Amino acid sequence: GQQLNQSPQSMFIQEGEDVSMNCTSSSIFNTWLWYKQDPGEGPVLLIALYKAGELTSNGRLTAQFGITRKDSFLNISASIPSDVGIYFCAGQLNRGSTLGRLYFGRGTQLTVWP
Amino acid sequence: GAVVSQHPSRVICKSGTSVKIECRSLDFQATTMFWYRQFPKQSLMLMATSNEGSKATYEQGVEKDKFLINHASLTLSTLTVTSAHPEDSSFYICSARNPRGPGTEAFFGQGTRLTVV
Repeated sequence: GQQLNQSPQSMFIQEGEDVSMNCTSSSIFNTWLWYKQDPGEGPVLLIALYKAGELTSNGRLTAQFGITRKDSFLNISASIPSDVGIYFCAGQLNRGSTLGRLYFGRGTQLTVWP
Repeated sequence: GAVVSQHPSRVICKSGTSVKIECRSLDFQATTMFWYRQFPKQSLMLMATSNEGSKATYEQGVEKDKFLINHASLTLSTLTVTSAHPEDSSFYICSARNPRGPGTEAFFGQGTRLTVV
């Protein structure tokens, strides 16, 4: 199966700091997605990227779809305590029978100290 | 975004019994739903793809007789964990994609925490 390498595995930052995490893949994806998961909940979609080179923002979040289509990063600016959670990158192939199937990174556990 | 509802959110069952988990798309019709399993502090692992009106497609290593999937309507897929054992305890999550939505991304249910005692 597709292997996604997500880093860092965990981050401990102070409120107000900026955060950056990234994902790389050995294979090309047509769509890159970033999700956030709170304890005991399902993942919630943060940003979806559909074109190589695309840079998209959602409030304090910014994500980019790498030119090679094998990587993506997520930045969070001016972190706040409610940003705590696990962030997952996911790649999607968008073709035929695999449409909608996601390949996940291992997640980045973010801890924000007040 | 599209709404996917999963029920129950938590279930505790005795070893040897079966448990059914429901996944519903509330505001769209989903011909395909996905079932994932997640162990503590780990990523989501795809178990199977649920196809409306046909057999589910299971990932390698997932026992289809153990994890029965039924996708009888365009808004409902069910996962039944048969003869559950403690090692089946996990967080099960479904997702669905809105084929008529502006994007191709999948939306997730709230997850079901299964504990087998």
